[in-house]
Amino acid sequence: DGGITQSPKYLFRKEGQNVTLSCEQNLNHDAMYWYRQDPGQGLRLIYYSQIVNDFQKGDIAEGYSVSREKKESFPLTVTSAQKNPTAFYLCASRDRSSGNQPQHFGDGTRLSIL
Amino acid sequence: GESVGLHLPTLSVQEGDNSIINCAYSNSASDYFIWYKQESGKGPQFIIDIRSNMDKRQGQRVTVLLNKTVKHLSLQIAATQPGDSAVYFCAENIATGRRALTFGSGTRLQVQP
Repeated sequence: DGGITQSPKYLFRKEGQNVTLSCEQNLNHDAMYWYRQDPGQGLRLIYYSQIVNDFQKGDIAEGYSVSREKKESFPLTVTSAQKNPTAFYLCASRDRSSGNQPQHFGDGTRLSIL
Repeated sequence: GESVGLHLPTLSVQEGDNSIINCAYSNSASDYFIWYKQESGKGPQFIIDIRSNMDKRQGQRVTVLLNKTVKHLSLQIAATQPGDSAVYFCAENIATGRRALTFGSGTRLQVQP
């Protein structure tokens, strides 16, 4: 089945540690996105990429980094500079080839602090 | 700043009734709107979308209405079922710039048996 796979489902970070969240899609979508969701709130955009080897900061990029070396992969690194990393992280992708299309989401990674 | 918002944080309905979830948006440059359903511990699931050149779109048991005059969006669910219990988000896509979605804070729909 085509879709978006996020791993791991749960992740724990120690003080001063960088952690990387994986996002893989086999939908052949050009655009990919990372969002952060805090309890009882909507999604906030961290980073997005419209095409391979290009990415842009979203609204809350500080303390995060990304790469887009392959079309199907868009990993997110939560660095030690992110002082409040506990949240639910969602990855999405979208088909840009034919006008307005919805974003499709993975099932998220829940990150907690040890 | 401009954002998408929702009027009701929690909506409780009886099974079999119709549900209406409302959303206000403030960015007149938005050209595309999406409703998502999110169950606990999962990612948002696409329900229905509508483009700004339309005022109504119907799917299976769901209807989205768009009123551009008052910048209002609604999701109607017919014959609400227990499986409809979830958090519902509206999202808008602004026609200029980055074309990433802006999400509201969500409405929790609780279906009482």
